[in-house]
Amino acid sequence: DQQVKQNSPSLSVQEGRISILNCDYTNSMFDYFLWYKKYPAEGPTFLISISSIKDKNEDGRFTVFLNKSAKHLSLHIVPSQPGDSAVYFCASQETGANNLFFGTGTRLTVIP
Amino acid sequence: GAGVSQSPSNKVTEKGKDVELRCDPISGHTALYWYRQRLGQGLEFLIYFQGNSAPDKSGLPSDRFSAERTGESVSTLTIQRTQQEDSAVYLCASSPRGTINTGELFFGEGSRLTVL
Repeated sequence: DQQVKQNSPSLSVQEGRISILNCDYTNSMFDYFLWYKKYPAEGPTFLISISSIKDKNEDGRFTVFLNKSAKHLSLHIVPSQPGDSAVYFCASQETGANNLFFGTGTRLTVIP
Repeated sequence: GAGVSQSPSNKVTEKGKDVELRCDPISGHTALYWYRQRLGQGLEFLIYFQGNSAPDKSGLPSDRFSAERTGESVSTLTIQRTQQEDSAVYLCASSPRGTINTGELFFGEGSRLTVL
């Protein structure tokens, strides 16, 4: 049973506009959340994270928002650039656990 | 290079054969993970090594799967009597920290296994 869900397999956005990628989780014990980016033929690379004690974390063009009551997080990229085109994975963890639970990914295409 | 190295990058095998996948973590990283990604699926946790502690094998799908790690170095994932459903990309990741707020995992490029 998928504990982390990314319901949009793909997203296309014009260059310069905002990209919003969404993620839902079911386990209320999750308290740490991450986004990874993956280019073809490469392993995923860490992008940004957020602890459950926060509802927002910003790093340059990337901002992650966490809504604990809705068990929902989102990644905002603004402005979007063609180099942002990749598959984005959401991941969640319970502190002390060994495992990161990953979603199925959303393929973002930024159109020049 | 300084990253996580995996080999082979591609492996095609016949059903019933054994395969061995290798992972060289980043030097000094105490934690090592194996994940797999089947087509259209998310990354699925397989096994976790932390230093000299007993590994967390809770994600291994069957007793045909096993993994070893010597100290804080190389790890091998072995799949015995491969089945077609084992076809996937097997990803290795390492981390300088343990389980508390695992945070950033450093992934290798993966080993793509195809079982005919």
